Amino acid sequence: SAVISQKPSRDICQRGTSLTIQCQVDSQVTMMFWYRQQPGQSLTLIATANQGSEATYESGFVIDKFPISRPNLTFSTLTVSNMSPEDSSIYLCSAEGVSTDTQYFGPGTRLTVL
Amino acid sequence: GEDVEQSLFLSVREGDSSVINCTYTDSSSTYLYWYKQEPGAGLQLLTYIFSNMDMKQDQRLTVLLNKKDKHLSLRIADTQTGDSAIYFCAESHAGGTSYGKLTFGQGTILTVHP
Repeated sequence: SAVISQKPSRDICQRGTSLTIQCQVDSQVTMMFWYRQQPGQSLTLIATANQGSEATYESGFVIDKFPISRPNLTFSTLTVSNMSPEDSSIYLCSAEGVSTDTQYFGPGTRLTVL
Repeated sequence: GEDVEQSLFLSVREGDSSVINCTYTDSSSTYLYWYKQEPGAGLQLLTYIFSNMDMKQDQRLTVLLNKKDKHLSLRIADTQTGDSAIYFCAESHAGGTSYGKLTFGQGTILTVHP
């Protein structure tokens, strides 16, 4: 199984600022994803992070608000831009390995926007 | 679109069996997963089942899949207080534009009483 780490683990930010979350996998993976878990809710897919090309966003999520990078097969970043209190959530990175059809998740980044 | 439903709460006594149920609507689902989320933590993959299987057992965990009724269940034998957590059912597809994307249920909060 892939081991996934995220930084930061939590942050408290001011309205109008931006935060970049990093996701590192300990092995090469085919697919990486970013999910959001709002307080008391389930997980919603934000986008698929594509290596070397633009991310593929789900309905309701746009690149200007959630720019994503994936420069190589083991690393991705998600930026939450121009934050508002409604962006307070846990943001989770996940990855699907080269020889597996299972998805593993990072520990999440707990974001609070004041 | 895809929809995954779970009951919200389950309370059991330590030592009893727990059964968490999930229904899904997408008949083309290929993989079905169970994840566990402990307070303040990320998601831990517990087990998964391929859609052409009807049962999978892994130590204290038994997954049953009724593809005709689109019903998935997770049975935890000899439930312990450490099993108290939120359990998420999720489904994904093996191909097409939805490849790798997980659709989650809303989660079942399992409380185990001593």
